[in-house]
Amino acid sequence: AQTVTQSQPEMSVQEAETVTLSCTYDTSESNYYLFWYKQPPSRQMILVIRQEAYKQQNATENRFSVNFQKAAKSFSLKISDSQLGDTAMYFCAFRTSGTYKYIFGTGTRLKVLA
Amino acid sequence: DARVTQTPRHKVTEMGQEVTMRCQPILGHNTVFWYRQTMMQGLELLAYFRNRAPLDDSGMPKDRFSAEMPDATLATLKIQPSEPRDSAVYFCASGSMGGGGSYNEQFFGPGTRLTVL
Repeated sequence: AQTVTQSQPEMSVQEAETVTLSCTYDTSESNYYLFWYKQPPSRQMILVIRQEAYKQQNATENRFSVNFQKAAKSFSLKISDSQLGDTAMYFCAFRTSGTYKYIFGTGTRLKVLA
Repeated sequence: DARVTQTPRHKVTEMGQEVTMRCQPILGHNTVFWYRQTMMQGLELLAYFRNRAPLDDSGMPKDRFSAEMPDATLATLKIQPSEPRDSAVYFCASGSMGGGGSYNEQFFGPGTRLTVL
């Protein structure tokens, strides 16, 4: 079975500091996509960053970057220069290329402290 | 600014009543997903459609839940009869899937918060 594990239920970080959220997944497939979604208190799910498994280069979107370790099946999210608006639930998600079905982790609640 | 819309945003009902949630996917998107989010179970995929045909509804309790796409601009999720354990936030998402090996990103609606008393 394909699974996504987020081992950190809650984290906090000081404003302007850097924080890393961890995500591991399990699959026997070789071609797949990985995503990080943000869910602020408004409940709206927002795509933060995405990565294709065949790309070795780690994806970056402004202050958000990932550390993709394919052999270790690890896909962590790094948030640099944390801002109060980054306070949210963060979900790691996974989809194999042969299906449209997404599998989500249980989420990490991040609080950015002033 | 194209976005997925869901109605109602909030629904409070009594056990045994029928509940219908509606979703309007982004115009041109060919795949629609229904998710349920609870504190205990997290985000669960209930069902999804591609080109209005159901592809997978294995996550949905079949005895009381049903999902349909009567046309390309409307997806519905119905619960009959509703039970307190159905209380959750229900999300609809849409995407343009299957073309050219892209990320096939999902776009989420704002969700319907359902409370069954």
